[in-house]
Amino acid sequence: SAVISQKPSRDICQRGTSLTIQCQVDSQVTMMFWYRQQPGQSLTLIATANQGSEATYESGFVIDKFPISRPNLTFSTLTVSNMSPEDSSIYLCSVGQAGYTFGSGTRLTVV
Amino acid sequence: QKEVEQNSGPLSVPEGAIASLNCTYSDRVSQSFFWYRQYSGKSPELIMSIYSNGDKEDGRFTAQLNKASQYVSLLIRDSQPSDSATYLCAVRRRDFGNEKLTFGTGTRLTIIP
Repeated sequence: SAVISQKPSRDICQRGTSLTIQCQVDSQVTMMFWYRQQPGQSLTLIATANQGSEATYESGFVIDKFPISRPNLTFSTLTVSNMSPEDSSIYLCSVGQAGYTFGSGTRLTVV
Repeated sequence: QKEVEQNSGPLSVPEGAIASLNCTYSDRVSQSFFWYRQYSGKSPELIMSIYSNGDKEDGRFTAQLNKASQYVSLLIRDSQPSDSATYLCAVRRRDFGNEKLTFGTGTRLTIIP
């Protein structure tokens, strides 16, 4: 299965600022997925990123808040923009082949 | 109705016993089903996938799928303390070139030595 390198692993950010999370995959994949996991809760899909096209966002998530780039088949970024304390969460990228592999996650705290 | 439902637990099982985890899903068009294990502070790890009705065994783990009842289960035999984790059920739907994996809220399992 694919190996994903995700960074940063954690960050503490001031409200109103933005953070960009990067995921690098060791093989080419068509789709990359971005999830959020709020404290004590399960995973919620933010968006699906396909190379060469606009990301597809789930209900409740918008591009202005969570812009995504997918410049090639092995890399993607998610930006959390204009952060507020409610954005404090773990953000995970994932790729799916026969099963889905997750990056190690980014633990974001907004103060 | 939630798309994927699990009993949140906690579920406590004595070491060596069988742990039984259950999951129901609402979308009849769902095609693939997964069980993930998540240790505290770690990302989810895939432990089982199942695509057709019946049982699938892998070591101490058995996944069971009943599409008519929209029900997926995971059995862990000879439970070990290292099995203590949150178990997430996930359901995948693919159509028109898109796919989406939807997770349940997870069941917290504790194996008691």
